[in-house]
Amino acid sequence: GIQVEQSPPDLILQEGANSTLRCNFSDSVNNLQWFHQNPWGQLINLFYIPSGTKQNGRLSATTVATERYSLLYISSSQTTDSGVYFCAVSPLTQGGSEKLVFGKGTKLTVNP
Amino acid sequence: SAVISQKPSRDICQRGTSLTIQCQVDSQVTMMFWYRQQPGQSLTLIATANQGSEATYESGFVIDKFPISRPNLTFSTLTVSNMSPEDSSIYLCSVGGFSGELFFGEGSRLTVL
Repeated sequence: GIQVEQSPPDLILQEGANSTLRCNFSDSVNNLQWFHQNPWGQLINLFYIPSGTKQNGRLSATTVATERYSLLYISSSQTTDSGVYFCAVSPLTQGGSEKLVFGKGTKLTVNP
Repeated sequence: SAVISQKPSRDICQRGTSLTIQCQVDSQVTMMFWYRQQPGQSLTLIATANQGSEATYESGFVIDKFPISRPNLTFSTLTVSNMSPEDSSIYLCSVGGFSGELFFGEGSRLTVL
């Protein structure tokens, strides 16, 4: 099956710093989503981005589908950004776009 | 995006018992998905639940252990049967939006003693 690799696995930042999280995937996809899991376990949708670039406030994401990777940018990080960031994809060979395969996540800690 | 409610939000159970988790969506959806997240791990798809048919299980998951019901287009249940400490996980319900984006409920955190 498709492989989803996220890097780095752990990241520690000082408040105000910028960061880039990476997601590599091993096959063509028709869905790619970034999620933030807060300390209470809730999954929050950040981006639905099978291709292209999107921005939402301090966050932005870029997916280069032809090269099979996606990047999540966090600027001016805040302590509330702490948590685990997951990349999840749906393989093109699967047909539908709704069965997601998750990477192992990047655990982000933002210190005050 | 759909509003997805799960019950219970958390529970502590004894080994050998069973627990049913409910998922309610505020709009009709064709497919509902159940995921498991073991402690410190990523999310893994358990099964896809379609209304009016048996659920489709992913490799490593079986109906006897995780029976699923889907009585209508807004509701589904997942039962974790004959629980052991290895079943301690967060169980999440998920549905798709019109664009293909998936949304998740707040999860049910299960601890088995």
